[in-house]
Amino acid sequence: SQELEQSPQSLIVQEGKNLTINCTSSKTLYGLYWYKQKYGEGLIFLMMLQKGGEEKSHEKITAKLDEKKQQSSLHITASQPSHAGIYLCQGGSEKLVFGKGMKLTVNP
Amino acid sequence: DGGITQSPKYLFRKEGQNVTLSCEQNLNHDAMYWYRQDPGQGLRLIYYSQIVNDFQKGDIAEGYSVSREKKESFPLTVTSAQKNPTAFYLCASSISSGPGYEQYFGPGTRLTVT
Repeated sequence: SQELEQSPQSLIVQEGKNLTINCTSSKTLYGLYWYKQKYGEGLIFLMMLQKGGEEKSHEKITAKLDEKKQQSSLHITASQPSHAGIYLCQGGSEKLVFGKGMKLTVNP
Repeated sequence: DGGITQSPKYLFRKEGQNVTLSCEQNLNHDAMYWYRQDPGQGLRLIYYSQIVNDFQKGDIAEGYSVSREKKESFPLTVTSAQKNPTAFYLCASSISSGPGYEQYFGPGTRLTVT
């Protein structure tokens, strides 16, 4: 079965620092979604990537999908406390599965 | 405003009791999903429905049941057969099922069984 592995599992950064989260699939992805979750709340959709080599940006967050469509990265520029939360990737070839999430803490 | 509602936000039950979690959407989506979230395990799919009056088991369906009598509603019943029911439950919907459609999530229900 397809699995998505996220790294790192958690990250603590100082406000203003850049950071990158990775999501690696054991199989070629049809599509890859990034979500953000505040503790105890629902998931908020961030971005969707479908084409190999695709890159999308929204405000200070950039997501990329590699050419082979097996790895995606999420990059946050000049992190802020509002970026804190759990970042989850979701993707698949036949059905969608989630990674285990990456907990981000941003210290002011 | 279109969206997904889940109620209640917090639910407490005694062991051995069945409990039903509500999920309603007004997005006119065909597909609906139930996920369970435990610390360190991400989201795991319990059941999903592609269309009214149809639903399929996900990866961890044992001890759960669902119904889809209306397009807008997809309630989840946690039965006494579920061995570890305490968890955070998330409902989602999408225009259609499959990997090409983003999912929209409700705010979740935290169930505690003692």
